[in-house]
Amino acid sequence: GAVVSQHPSWVICKSGTSVKIECRSLDFQATTMFWYRQFPKQSLMLMATSNEGSKATYEQGVEKDKFLINHASLTLSTLTVTSAHPEDSSFYICSASRKPSEETQYFGPGTRLLVL
Amino acid sequence: ILNVEQSPQSLHVQEGDSTNFTCSFPSSNFYALHWYRWETAKSPEALFVMTLNGDEKKKGRISATLNTKEGYSYLYIKGSQPEDSATYLCALASNTGKLIFGQGTTLQVKP
Repeated sequence: GAVVSQHPSWVICKSGTSVKIECRSLDFQATTMFWYRQFPKQSLMLMATSNEGSKATYEQGVEKDKFLINHASLTLSTLTVTSAHPEDSSFYICSASRKPSEETQYFGPGTRLLVL
Repeated sequence: ILNVEQSPQSLHVQEGDSTNFTCSFPSSNFYALHWYRWETAKSPEALFVMTLNGDEKKKGRISATLNTKEGYSYLYIKGSQPEDSATYLCALASNTGKLIFGQGTTLQVKP
């Protein structure tokens, strides 16, 4: 149990376009979902935390107008990279927790984004 | 800014060797420490969530210890197998669920 999927697994887009990444909990309801990104040779860095039905909480330095997060249901959160630029090229990965009291986060397989 | 350090960065061992690696973190205001195993092209897999000083947890041939007073955790793999090859991540957790990850230790087990 506790499977999280992400779609797409990789995407190449032109500079200036927007890209949407989906994160789904397949066999459980996720009260909270997290979005991370990882640049080459760096750690996974938390971008934002989203709770179903409420606005996401962004980490310092992450532009909320550029990285739009929607968590409309207990099984789906989306991250939209708006007007993507080459510096947004990175590995984006989501995680979900089943309930507020559960410590474990269940991760998706990630999405590699390349902006040309 | 909280910093989580893992060492070594990479490790090559022979099948059957036992190995261990370290995760260091600030000891003040400790809440929990997570260990994950991340195989290439797969999702990170949760191994352990450790909360108490002196905790020792085990899952098959993998075990972990925790020292919150001095700010470190060790992950041990007994009798490494090729399927243990992966990147092992530790992450410091806050009570809000936020995780601060180390850079990981990449283990390669040669048959």
